[in-house]
This record gives sequence, structure tokens and C-alpha cells, in this order.
Amino acid sequence: DAGVIQSPRHEVTEMGQEVTLRCKPISGHDYLFWYRQTMMRGLELLIYFNNNVPIDDSGMPEDRFSAKMPNASFSTLKIQPSEPRDSAVYFCASSPGQGGETQYFGPGTRLLVL
Amino acid sequence: SQKIEQNSEALNIQEGKTATLTCNYTNYSPAYLQWYRQDPGRGPVFLLLIRENEKEKRKERLKVTFDTTLKQSLFHITASQPADSATYLCALPASGGSYIPTFGRGTSLIVHP
Repeated sequence: DAGVIQSPRHEVTEMGQEVTLRCKPISGHDYLFWYRQTMMRGLELLIYFNNNVPIDDSGMPEDRFSAKMPNASFSTLKIQPSEPRDSAVYFCASSPGQGGETQYFGPGTRLLVL
Repeated sequence: SQKIEQNSEALNIQEGKTATLTCNYTNYSPAYLQWYRQDPGRGPVFLLLIRENEKEKRKERLKVTFDTTLKQSLFHITASQPADSATYLCALPASGGSYIPTFGRGTSLIVHP
């Protein structure tokens, strides 16, 4: 298996632009997670899905962030409009079975908002 | 919600020695605790999971202990190698009814040849 795939790996954009991050989970995994990692705050859970349904989005910082999972093999995290404080590494992770006991992370997307 | 504490200072040790990293939590006892390894520019990689009814878990040169009285887990790497240099994160459920892990900030381990 190729593991969790994320694209793009790097994104540089200007403040106010829309940013879309993409994730393909491991086939057969029922859970998908979006995280954000910064030096200041560490690894923060933004939202997670179970069987394509959003379960908990309490970690989404504000309405500028939205996430979708239209099918079992694809998810997006969108930031509109982006701000410099959104600069971080965004990870997607997937997990089989029960509630994310073991998570498999993608390589991350490094986002820089100028 | 759970607060997780890991030493923010890097741990520097000599090759061949045993590295010991600490993870403390402050609230309820979690059903499990995990350790992950993260290399620069990469996502975390799962290493070990230990459940609340287990005192110790081993995998090759890795050993994890779980003391629910002290609210602490220790992560040991024996016969450490420079390739073990990385950041190690612990993770445990965010709240009593959840299986979704929340992560500590991690401790950087540097093994010197």
C-alpha cells in the first residue's frame, strides 16, 4: 500500500487566497483525520471523519476552514480566505477500526501564507 | 480535557546508552497510550501502544511502561543509535469517552556517535 497520500507537499500563497489541501487515505481505513502542526501549538486535531461523515470539527479554528470527504478515498481541507497565521504543516492521517487507536500519517503539506 | 506534558528540552545521549523519555498526563487515566516517532519534514510514525491494564510493552529495542498511579509513561530505547535521533510524541485519548488520541508536543532525542 502506498500509505496516506497528501498534495501538494508545499504551498506558498498570498493572504486572502483560497487554499485547498488534498488527502487520499489508506484503502479500507474508516477514519480520516486532519491535523495542523506548528512550533507554538504542536500537533492539533482539526477535524475527523468516520465512514466519510464528519464526527468532530471542534478543532477547526474558525469558519475560514472547511473540510469535506465526498468518498472513502478522498478528502479536502480548504482555507478561504487564508491568513499568515494559517502557516503550518497540515497532516492527514487515517486509521482502521475503532476510533483512531493507531494512526497512519501522510507526509504533510507545508503551507506558507505571505 | 487531558493535558499532556513532555520534556521540551532535547535529550542528548551517547550512542549505545539507553534513552529514556517521559510523558506525563494530568487528568483521568486513559484507556491506552501511544508513542510515535517523527523525523524532520515527515509525519509521525506509530511505534507502540500500551493499554491501561498493561504495565510494560516491548518491541525490539523499545520498551514502554505505563504507571496509572503516577500518571506517567516512560519510553526507553536501549543500545541507542544515531539513527534513533528524532522527535518522539506520546498520544492518549483527549477525554474519558473518546478513543481519539491527542498528542503531546514531543521530545527531541539526539544520539551522538
